[in-house]
Parts: sequence; structure tokens; C-alpha cells
Amino acid sequence: GENVEQHPSTLSVQEGDSAVIKCTYSDSASNYFPWYKQELGKGPQLIIDIRSNVGEKKDQRIAVTLNKTAKHFSLHITETQPEDSAVYFCAAGGKLTFGQGTILTVHP
Amino acid sequence: NAGVMQNPRHLVRRRGQEARLRCSPMKGHSHVYWYRQLPEEGLKFMVYLQKENIIDESGMPKERFSAEFPKEGPSILRIQQVVRGDSAAYFCASSNPWREPRGDTQYFGPGTRLTVL
Repeated sequence: GENVEQHPSTLSVQEGDSAVIKCTYSDSASNYFPWYKQELGKGPQLIIDIRSNVGEKKDQRIAVTLNKTAKHFSLHITETQPEDSAVYFCAAGGKLTFGQGTILTVHP
Repeated sequence: NAGVMQNPRHLVRRRGQEARLRCSPMKGHSHVYWYRQLPEEGLKFMVYLQKENIIDESGMPKERFSAEFPKEGPSILRIQQVVRGDSAAYFCASSNPWREPRGDTQYFGPGTRLTVL
């Protein structure tokens, strides 16, 4: 089955800096890669996703890149704000296999 | 347009009791997924259902756990004879597989936090 590894487990940045979270996956048949943001006590919220026919996708301050050959994908957040502080999960596949999560803290 | 609804939001059970968790998918969605999240861990797939049919239950524990999605009403995740290790957050997600190109997008509910005493 699919296996997803996510790094780093924690990430601390200053407001205005960029944040990058990376994931690798094992199943070359996977073709769907969403990213979710989870705030304390809430359910995961989809923030961006990418499919295998696209190498990069951007939505305002958030971008995702996908390298199918190397089987890794990354989340990029620019101009971080304190409200970006949360746990971020990458996932892969149809019945989603999630990474272990990254706790992002943005310091004012 | 209401999102995915789950209830109860918090559930406390004593060891040996039954827990029933409910999920109403987003309007227009016909497929439901259940995931379990242990403290400080990622979400683990449990089961994938459409109305009156289990599509994939490869992540469900072999005993005490069952799921259904009847023709009418919400999807139910049932845990019989709960043990302390069942304490976790249980999330439901829904999708509409026939809506191209975003048919595989899953939207999550707020979760049910189960505590077993």
C-alpha cells in the first residue's frame, strides 16, 4: 500500500517568511495529492491539491509542486501570517494516506 | 450549503459500552470515508462507503468495528465493547466521485472525539 513521509515535524518561522513542507510517497500509481490544514479541535480543511498531470499549482500565498519521477511533493507558503499557525498534513491516493503532520508556528 | 456534519462532537463511554458515531455528508455527495486520528498522529483510513454498500474496509479493525451508510439517514460508525485504546478523534469525509474533475476531493467534518474511561 501507499506510504507517505512528511518533513519537518515542526517548523517555526517569523511572520513574513516563507515556509516549506515536503512529502514523499511510495506508490507510483497515486495521482492525487491534497494538503490539509488542521487547527486545534477542528477537522482537516483542504487548502490546495494537485493532480499528477500538473507539476505546480498556486493559490494566492500557497503553492504546491509535484515531482512524479522522484515521488515527492511540497507545500510552499509565502508571506506567512500568525493565522497560518496550525498542523499541516499532506496526503496521497484515493483513500487518502496521510503524512505524520507538520506543526507550523508563525511568530509575530 | 452545509458542510459535512458529525455528531456527537464529544462522546464519553466506559469500557465495554458501545459507541455510535454519525456522519451526514455534504449536500450532493454520495460517498463517505471514515478516518481515525490518535493523539499527535496523522489520520488513518478506516472505511469507504457509498449508500448501502461498503467499497473498501481494509483499514477497519477486524473485530468490534462496523460501518454502514443506509439509503436514508447518516453514515454510522459503530464500535462495540469499547476499550481505552479506542480513544481517538474520528473524522468523516465525503466526496462526489461523479463530479469531474474534482470527484476525488474529500471534505472533512469536525470530528467526534471519543474518550473511553
